[in-house]
Amino acid sequence: DGGITQSPKYLFRKEGQNVTLSCEQNLNHDAMYWYRQDPGQGLRLIYYSQIVNDFQKGDIAEGYSVSREKKESFPLTVTSAQKNPTAFYLCASSKGGDSGNEQFFGPGTRLTVL
Amino acid sequence: GDSVTQMEGPVTLSEEAFLTINCTYTATGYPSLFWYVQYPGEGLQLLLKATKADDKGSNKGFEATYRKETTSFHLEKGSVQVSDSAVYFCALRVNNDMRFGAGTRLTVKP
Repeated sequence: DGGITQSPKYLFRKEGQNVTLSCEQNLNHDAMYWYRQDPGQGLRLIYYSQIVNDFQKGDIAEGYSVSREKKESFPLTVTSAQKNPTAFYLCASSKGGDSGNEQFFGPGTRLTVL
Repeated sequence: GDSVTQMEGPVTLSEEAFLTINCTYTATGYPSLFWYVQYPGEGLQLLLKATKADDKGSNKGFEATYRKETTSFHLEKGSVQVSDSAVYFCALRVNNDMRFGAGTRLTVKP
């Protein structure tokens, strides 16, 4: 079955440590996205990529980094520079930049900083 | 900039009640509109979408009509079930820019 996988589902990190969240898709989608979700709030865009080896900052990119070396993979690194990293992180993908294309979401990773 | 405003929750209904969740949008271009549903601890799932004015999206008994004149995309269901309890997000997309509402939590009681 095609879909998006994120791992791990739960992640704990000590303050000052970098951590990488995995996102893989086998939908053959060109575009991939990372969102952050805080309790009672909508989704905020961290980074997105429309094509391999290219990515753009979203609304809240500070303290995060990404890479897009393969079409299927779009890992997110939460660095120690991110002041409040505890949140639910969602990865998504879509066929492309056309407005009519919906985004497909992974199951999410819940990051907790101890 | 482009944005979505949806009714604040939480919304609590009895089983078989009628559901409406209001959603209005602001967009400079010609957006597509979406409703997503999120169950506890999971990612978002597409519920329905509409890509142009007067389109009606429908799925699993849910419906929403793209009203350009009122810039709205209200979600409705005629008879909710306990299994519909979830958080519902309205969203719009213009090219590669997707914007989500804050979400509305729905609880359906037996």
